Amino acid sequence: SQTIHQWPATLVQPVGSPLSLECTVEGTSNPNLYWYRQAAGRGLQLLFYSVGIGQISSEVPQNLSASRPQDRQFILSSKKLLLSDSGFYLCAWSVEEMQPQHFGDGTRLSIL
Amino acid sequence: QKEVEQNSGPLSVPEGAIASLNCTYSDRGSQSFFWYRQYSGKSPELIMSIYSNGDKEDGRFTAQLNKASQYVSLLIRDSQPSDSATYLCAVKYSSASKIIFGSGTRLSIRP
Repeated sequence: SQTIHQWPATLVQPVGSPLSLECTVEGTSNPNLYWYRQAAGRGLQLLFYSVGIGQISSEVPQNLSASRPQDRQFILSSKKLLLSDSGFYLCAWSVEEMQPQHFGDGTRLSIL
Repeated sequence: QKEVEQNSGPLSVPEGAIASLNCTYSDRGSQSFFWYRQYSGKSPELIMSIYSNGDKEDGRFTAQLNKASQYVSLLIRDSQPSDSATYLCAVKYSSASKIIFGSGTRLSIRP
């Protein structure tokens, strides 16, 4: 069966520091991969999605970037974090775009 | 603009009753519809997928899809306190390569 791993579970970072969140999927090949952010009490905001290695689509202009160096690995990065980057970051995967997405456990990011 | 609309709630339902959650969408060509449950502080969990008009039942959950009226609903029978959560409706629009999520309905089951 397929599983998705996302780490760390919580992260506290100072303003201006870099960020790297990693997500890996097991048990499937060539999944669609997604990064979402959810502010407290709010809905899901799609940040990036990828349909293959090296293919990244950005949904919202911001100081975040994403990379997919391997088939089942998706990385969310920032060079300098802003206070507004705080939130609950979720990685998700799907077999293809018509099928449901399955979420990792998320990373709660607090910026101080 | 592609939208998925849900009443934010909270929707309060007595234990044992039927909870009814509704969602409307704006793209007539949409073909994939999903319901997720999200407990506070946790990630969304898929509970139902529906692709054709009519009802689809899975245990205490029934998803209903009406493409002509562009709405999808979720019924929860015999509601339990453990059903208290935010329920997210999600729609795969025909013109987009991603799923659009509604902002969710908060459901509270009172004992």
